[in-house]
Amino acid sequence: KNEVEQSPQNLTAQEGEFITINCSYSVGISALHWLQQHPGGGIVSLFMLSSGKKKHGRLIATINIQEKHSSLHITASHPRDSAVYICAVYWGNTGNQFYFGTGTSLTVIP
Amino acid sequence: NAGVTQTPKFRILKIGQSMTLQCTQDMNHNYMYWYRQDPGMGLKLIYYSVGAGITDKGEVPNGYNVSRSTTEDFPLRLELAAPSQTSVYFCASSYLGTDADTQYFGPGTRLTVL
Repeated sequence: KNEVEQSPQNLTAQEGEFITINCSYSVGISALHWLQQHPGGGIVSLFMLSSGKKKHGRLIATINIQEKHSSLHITASHPRDSAVYICAVYWGNTGNQFYFGTGTSLTVIP
Repeated sequence: NAGVTQTPKFRILKIGQSMTLQCTQDMNHNYMYWYRQDPGMGLKLIYYSVGAGITDKGEVPNGYNVSRSTTEDFPLRLELAAPSQTSVYFCASSYLGTDADTQYFGPGTRLTVL
């Protein structure tokens, strides 16, 4: 059983499109993280959320605690946004209760 | 700042060999983590540390050991390597815990056990 489910698994978009990636989880959480893994393998943390909404540049992350759901939006997508986007959730009060989704692979075509 | 550095970048081991994956951060972060990433699977936490001298197990600790003698370093030891340990290993750090802070990741170590 996966504690974290992401959809879609793969996504292809034309440059300029608005993109949404979804993350659903099955337990009550303290925080949710969105990460970006570049084609070369490097991982960058994008957002940490415990409620509401955060925005950074063209990226917007939202979370609905009651519905156990988060979305990552990319406005005006660009080929450099092509990467794997990973959702991870943390619950409990010890550091080892941290689980990752398998990621959404995004390709943005010029 | 160099951030989080990992060595080596690549390594091939024979079954039964041992090795240490090195991880160093220069951001004075309290928390450090080791993850493994298998193809098509999500990252899994191996061990973590909340400060020098304090370590604890994650989801998949079997076959690994860690130590944290300084704030900067968090080496991961593989004893008696097995093919199931073929993976990409990432070290990460954060100033606060996972419920309060984002993590900074190292570039990864790609390990193959033959």
